[in-house]
Amino acid sequence: DTAVSQTPKYLVTQMGNDKSIKCEQNLGHDTMYWYKQDSKKFLKIMFSYNNKELIINETVPNRFSPKSPDKAHLNLHINSLELGDSAVYFCASSLSAGGLETQYFGPGTRLLVL
Amino acid sequence: SQQGEEDPQALSIQEGENATMNCSYKTSINNLQWYRQNSGRGLVHLILIRSNEREKHSGRLRVTLDTSKKSSSLLITASRAADTASYFCATDPGYQKVTFGTGTKLQVIP
Repeated sequence: DTAVSQTPKYLVTQMGNDKSIKCEQNLGHDTMYWYKQDSKKFLKIMFSYNNKELIINETVPNRFSPKSPDKAHLNLHINSLELGDSAVYFCASSLSAGGLETQYFGPGTRLLVL
Repeated sequence: SQQGEEDPQALSIQEGENATMNCSYKTSINNLQWYRQNSGRGLVHLILIRSNEREKHSGRLRVTLDTSKKSSSLLITASRAADTASYFCATDPGYQKVTFGTGTKLQVIP
């Protein structure tokens, strides 16, 4: 069974569209994350949720809205997509929040905005 | 700005050689972790070293931490082609946020 799964794996869309990426973890973890990895492989945290509560909200345009319906799911909705949003988006989870915890990453969603 | 920066950005070695990559960071940390990312995949945790530790081993991996210099190194001994990947350090300054470095891309030539 896949520990952290993301759908879709690939997403190609036009500028201005709205899209969602879904993430699910079956590890029983309390904390989930969204990261953005750009073309230079720079990995930047966007959001973190602990027990469905938002605990980290980095400087991200408000076109990005995370939603955690339960502990096992953290979805990312993006409004009015822009060319600069093209990147790989990774979901991750950890047992709890805090730097001692190992993060388990999903396979990534490759978003291309045309 | 990015907390951790890896050096070198890219490294190419022959199979069987040792690979060393370094991570420097800017603020005090509670611990430091190393992750590996195979091409087209998510990151996989390798090893964690706490701020009160100086060295840690796991199989062919050896990690050192020098908090006075704010730096860490990851040594992979007797490298294999399967070690080809990008390696990232991740630091924990203690605000429930782990920050990843810029990564070292390692190529091991068979």
